[in-house]
Amino acid sequence: QKEVEQNSGPLSVPEGAIASLNCTYSDRGSQSFFWYRQYSGKSPELIMSIYSNGDKEDGRFTAQLNKASQYVSLLIRDSQPSDSATYLCAAAGGYSTLTFGKGTMLLVSP
Amino acid sequence: EAGVTQFPSHSVIEKGQTVTLRCDPISGHDNLYWYRRVMGKEIKFLLHFVKESKQDESGMPNNRFLAERTGGTYSTLKVQPAELEDSGVYFCASSLGDLETQYFGPGTRLLVL
Repeated sequence: QKEVEQNSGPLSVPEGAIASLNCTYSDRGSQSFFWYRQYSGKSPELIMSIYSNGDKEDGRFTAQLNKASQYVSLLIRDSQPSDSATYLCAAAGGYSTLTFGKGTMLLVSP
Repeated sequence: EAGVTQFPSHSVIEKGQTVTLRCDPISGHDNLYWYRRVMGKEIKFLLHFVKESKQDESGMPNNRFLAERTGGTYSTLKVQPAELEDSGVYFCASSLGDLETQYFGPGTRLLVL
């Protein structure tokens, strides 16, 4: 069974710090990886996608993928209170259906 | 551009009743997905439409769930009869092409009493 594992948190960081979110996946056939942000009661919003080993940067966000270790991470630099949300890691194999982790709650304190 | 919309936003029904959820994808998106999040669990895939055809319905829990997408536009998900374990948040997502970014709707919160 395909699984994506995340620490549920909460992960608490002070404003301006780097937040590091991690996930592991079980299906070696997974090819695409996504980080969604979900505010309480709202829909998941895609913030990063990554398909190749290495780092991908977009503004304050950096996604990292290591397929050998089946590990995906998301770094948020200069964390802001508005970044406080649940971050969902998702993986997709040859087909487009997403397998989600339970999410990590991030709390950024002013 | 309007996003994915879902109706209703909330539904409270009694066990044994029928509920129909609706999803309107982003205009022009051929791919439509249904997902569900049961309390305390992760979001789980239910099924995937490409236009009006079911591409993958491997995540549908049982035959009490029926999804349709007539004309390849909006989709409905009917639960009949509803059971207590069907409670959760039902999300719809759409994408322009297969393997492309999925945009999620706000979800329908279903509570079966």
